[in-house]
Amino acid sequence: KQEVTQIPAALSVPEGENLVLNCSFTDSAIYNLQWFRQDPGKGLTSLLLIQSSQREQTSGRLNASLDKSSGRSTLYIAASQPGDSATYLCAVREERMEYGNKLVFGAGTILRVKS
Amino acid sequence: DTEVTQTPKHLVMGMTNKKSLKCEQHMGHRAMYWYKQKAKKPPELMFVYSYEKLSINESVPSRFSPECPNSSLLNLHLHALQPEDSALYLCASSQGHLSGNTIYFGEGSWLTVV
Repeated sequence: KQEVTQIPAALSVPEGENLVLNCSFTDSAIYNLQWFRQDPGKGLTSLLLIQSSQREQTSGRLNASLDKSSGRSTLYIAASQPGDSATYLCAVREERMEYGNKLVFGAGTILRVKS
Repeated sequence: DTEVTQTPKHLVMGMTNKKSLKCEQHMGHRAMYWYKQKAKKPPELMFVYSYEKLSINESVPSRFSPECPNSSLLNLHLHALQPEDSALYLCASSQGHLSGNTIYFGEGSWLTVV
């Protein structure tokens, strides 16, 4: 059974710092990995999607890497801002025979950026 | 437009009530999903519809009944729920079942069962 772990569970940093969020998964048979952001009481916003054949994806101040063989992904946030404060979730899509995506989520990292 | 719209945003229902959650997307996506998220926990998959057919049911109790009337709409019918079913219910969609598809989530419906 696929298990996804995110470290740290919570992180508090001053504004302007560069930071790294970690995600690990136990079964390397994945199609892709997706990073999401969730604000309190809200839905999930997709940040980056990395295919299993890719090593990294970038969007603005965000960079996500994937090492499928070792079961690891990192989300790098450059020059953090208070508006980045949220819960960050990583999710892997399992290889399954059925149609449809099954995402297995990590428990998330709660990020607080202090001004 | 990458919007998935869910209604209502908040729902309070008694254990004998029948209610429905609704989800709509106009991105031409052919796969739609229901996830359940308890407080401080990650989302958990409930159902997947692919091309308007139920393709995955994650052993969800029958008091939850999904329906996909057309490719843009997804409903979740609720009946005889328990207080422990109180949670945030998230709808999502993607272009299809292919690996390259980003999954887009709605804002969710907060359900409280009293």
